[in-house]
Amino acid sequence: DAGVTQSPTHLIKTRGQHVTLRCSPISGHKSVSWYQQVLGQGPQFIFQYYEKEERGRGNFPDRFSARQFPNYSSELNVNALLLGDSALYLCASTYWDGYNEQFFGPGTRLTVL
Amino acid sequence: KQEVTQIPAALSVPEGENLVLNCSFTDSAIYNLQWFRQDPGKGLTSLLLIQSSQREQTSGRLNASLDKSSGRSTLYIAASQPGDSATYLCAVVSAGNMLTFGGGTRLMVKP
Repeated sequence: DAGVTQSPTHLIKTRGQHVTLRCSPISGHKSVSWYQQVLGQGPQFIFQYYEKEERGRGNFPDRFSARQFPNYSSELNVNALLLGDSALYLCASTYWDGYNEQFFGPGTRLTVL
Repeated sequence: KQEVTQIPAALSVPEGENLVLNCSFTDSAIYNLQWFRQDPGKGLTSLLLIQSSQREQTSGRLNASLDKSSGRSTLYIAASQPGDSATYLCAVVSAGNMLTFGGGTRLMVKP
């Protein structure tokens, strides 16, 4: 079975632009979560979606938004990019909403210039 | 608010040594704890999941223990190899269904 996939792998944007990151969960998994990992730190929780509904939101500004589609794939959108948004964005999938083992994708490296 | 701390932040050992990585968390009301491995610039690979009702889990040369009451977990790596060099992250799931991560331990195993 394919693991969690994310696209694109790398992305370079300039301040003020917006970006859309995509994630496809493991087949059969209905929950997707997004995390931001700044260099040298542990990942920070951004959003969790289960069955297409938002089930959790971390301490991130409203510039960050996400959605989950009927096929359980997900998009993370970030508007008005700041230099501080440069990070590795990780997507995790799990069968249920949080209490099962979570599996991560390879991440999208976002660089904001 | 749940906080997770990992000690040490970095560790360098010669090949063949047995080693212990530590993880502590402030709120003992957790559902589970998961250990991950991360290679530079890559995603996270799940190593072990310990449910809150369990005391330990084993996979190959890895053994993870959980003491919920004291808010501690350890990851034991037996007979370390250069291929074990990576950052090891622990994370807990508590209220809110999200993973709260520690800062990680950067491990270097020298041949």
